[in-house]
Amino acid sequence: EVQLVESGGGLVQPGGSLRLSCAASGFTFSSYWMHWVRQAPGKGLVWVSRINSDGSSTSYADSVKGRFTISRDNAKNTLYLQMNSLRAEDTAVYYCARGADSSGYYCYFDYWGQGTLVTVSS
Amino acid sequence: SYELTQPPSVSVSPGQTARITCSGDALPKQYAYWYQQKPGQAPVLVIYKDSERPSGIPERFSGSSSGTTVTLTISGVQAEDEADYYCQSADSSGTDVVFGGGTKLTVL
Repeated sequence: EVQLVESGGGLVQPGGSLRLSCAASGFTFSSYWMHWVRQAPGKGLVWVSRINSDGSSTSYADSVKGRFTISRDNAKNTLYLQMNSLRAEDTAVYYCARGADSSGYYCYFDYWGQGTLVTVSS
Repeated sequence: SYELTQPPSVSVSPGQTARITCSGDALPKQYAYWYQQKPGQAPVLVIYKDSERPSGIPERFSGSSSGTTVTLTISGVQAEDEADYYCQSADSSGTDVVFGGGTKLTVL
């Protein structure tokens, strides 16, 4: 059974940093692109970042470019999101999601974690 | 930046057919995907590549595409289908991943 379990969320002050983790199991983690998607309270889904299967290629939404860094450790079956210079508008539930197309050509998500809440507030 | 447009809400009675649309200029070039999200839960993929249904998704869920609009159709709506539905696609270059604003389906 595919499982994605996020951790690392919490309350952080504006300008602070946080690192999210996503532990994957039930599939060959090193074969799949992985993504982060966020959802502000009461709002819609917003794609944040993606990383290819071996970690050599990444991309980001304009809203987080230069502040967030996605990475992965295939030996530990874990995805990360390092978030720096956090702003109030980054407050959201952050989901990790598996890219359904292992080639990465078609970008959509077949499995999602339950999410971890990040709150940026003083 | 590229946008996908969905109606904020759709209401239907049980047993009727619900249709949720999603419009975007790049949809003739890019596939669309649909997710169902119930309160407090993670999204679930219900349609991929415009009209394909993942295993485990009921047959009453179907998708179609026509020009710059894609449509999620739920035939014989059940109370358990009440949820938010999001379309997702990419811009014409395939670089930016975009979600629609979401449609709240209410089963009367």
